[in-house]
Amino acid sequence: DTGVSQDPRHKITKRGQNVTFRCDPISEHNRLYWYRQTLGQGPEFLTYFQNEAQLEKSRLLSDRFSAERPKGSFSTLEIQRTEQGDSAMYLCASSPTLQIGELFFGEGSRLTVL
Amino acid sequence: QKEVEQNSGPLSVPEGAIASLNCTYSDRGSQSFFWYRQYSGKSPELIMFIYSNGDKEDGRFTAQLNKASQYVSLLIRDSQPSDSATYLCAVNSNSGYALNFGKGTSLLVTP
Repeated sequence: DTGVSQDPRHKITKRGQNVTFRCDPISEHNRLYWYRQTLGQGPEFLTYFQNEAQLEKSRLLSDRFSAERPKGSFSTLEIQRTEQGDSAMYLCASSPTLQIGELFFGEGSRLTVL
Repeated sequence: QKEVEQNSGPLSVPEGAIASLNCTYSDRGSQSFFWYRQYSGKSPELIMFIYSNGDKEDGRFTAQLNKASQYVSLLIRDSQPSDSATYLCAVNSNSGYALNFGKGTSLLVTP
């Protein structure tokens, strides 16, 4: 399977705990995005990487959220001190260099904060 | 005002009819416009993009762009029950990196 892979697919945690999600993009794609989606809403942009460089981060993103893409391949999204409002589907997408906006989404990681 | 606005629906059309989905955006500097389809419980998938004013056709789908009026639309001809999904309009941001999505329009095609 050469699609975007996300892990874990589901995560249930207690308020205050830290969680980390991993995304493996399509191998030849150097653009990587993280989005968050809640029920009835469209995906909300979180952050963007081009290779290993984080070039954009949503101004609405709390300091509890951090993302990395250390070698320009896989990426991780960490949420510290989770809150119930963090419950959502976290979507990773990758994109070929020359196709701005052509995003290939993974299956998502669903977070439930109790 | 949200950057990308869509009527959440649901929009119900009979099988074989034309479904018309609309989207408005606030940033006049936006250059790229996309329609994604999202089936229930699945992730979004790109179905069309348009960069220039006018119409762009791809099979049963036609995207229409009017930059002066800041709206984008998607027409689905000969709608099929398998077209039942949420259609997300997405517009590139000022930075050119992020895509900003609307909340989506739910389409139901009834047999």
